[in-house]
Amino acid sequence: DTAVSQTPKYLVTQMGNDKSIKCEQNLGHDTMYWYKQDSKKFLKIMFSYNNKELIINETVPNRFSPKSPDKAHLNLHINSLELGDSAVYFCASSRGQGAVETQYFGPGTRLLVL
Amino acid sequence: GDSVTQMEGPVTLSEEAFLTINCTYTATGYPSLFWYVQYPGEGLQLLLKATKADDKGSNKGFEATYRKETTSFHLEKGSVQVSDSAVYFCAWASTGGGNKLTFGTGTQLKVEL
Repeated sequence: DTAVSQTPKYLVTQMGNDKSIKCEQNLGHDTMYWYKQDSKKFLKIMFSYNNKELIINETVPNRFSPKSPDKAHLNLHINSLELGDSAVYFCASSRGQGAVETQYFGPGTRLLVL
Repeated sequence: GDSVTQMEGPVTLSEEAFLTINCTYTATGYPSLFWYVQYPGEGLQLLLKATKADDKGSNKGFEATYRKETTSFHLEKGSVQVSDSAVYFCAWASTGGGNKLTFGTGTQLKVEL
């Protein structure tokens, strides 16, 4: 039933570790995104993929590497985690890349780096 | 640069009060405009959208009109309920931008009995 799902929901880890967050959508959409929401609730796009091809890559440290094995999945791998990476990470999907397309968001992954 | 400016919160209202949350944007071209809502502990949900000038988006009693002349997309509701308590985000996406959403900082709304 869930349209956009993310795992895990919560992630607590130590500085310097490597972790992955998974995202899956069952809406048949072509485009998927990763957003970061900081402690002040400010949301900023990190990446987008369309049909497994990278479209948007904002100024994100290269410790963050997205991977899209198929168009229903977009995973986010983070190397050498830092305190400043603590945030809520949201995955989203849309039917296409057009500006009129609605993005559907997952429930978020709350990452805490200690 | 391209941005969205929203009124700062928190906004606290009594049930059945009138709500306005102001939003203005700076963008090139003719962006699509959105209001998303985030309930506590949840992801964002689309509340309404407008894709061209003078369009009015509406949903669940909320309305917003795309005003190109004032680059605004203010959110209104005639009578709020306790269940409307959430954070509201104004956003825009431009054509040719890969559907990248640029968000405002969010406005927290608290509705009390």
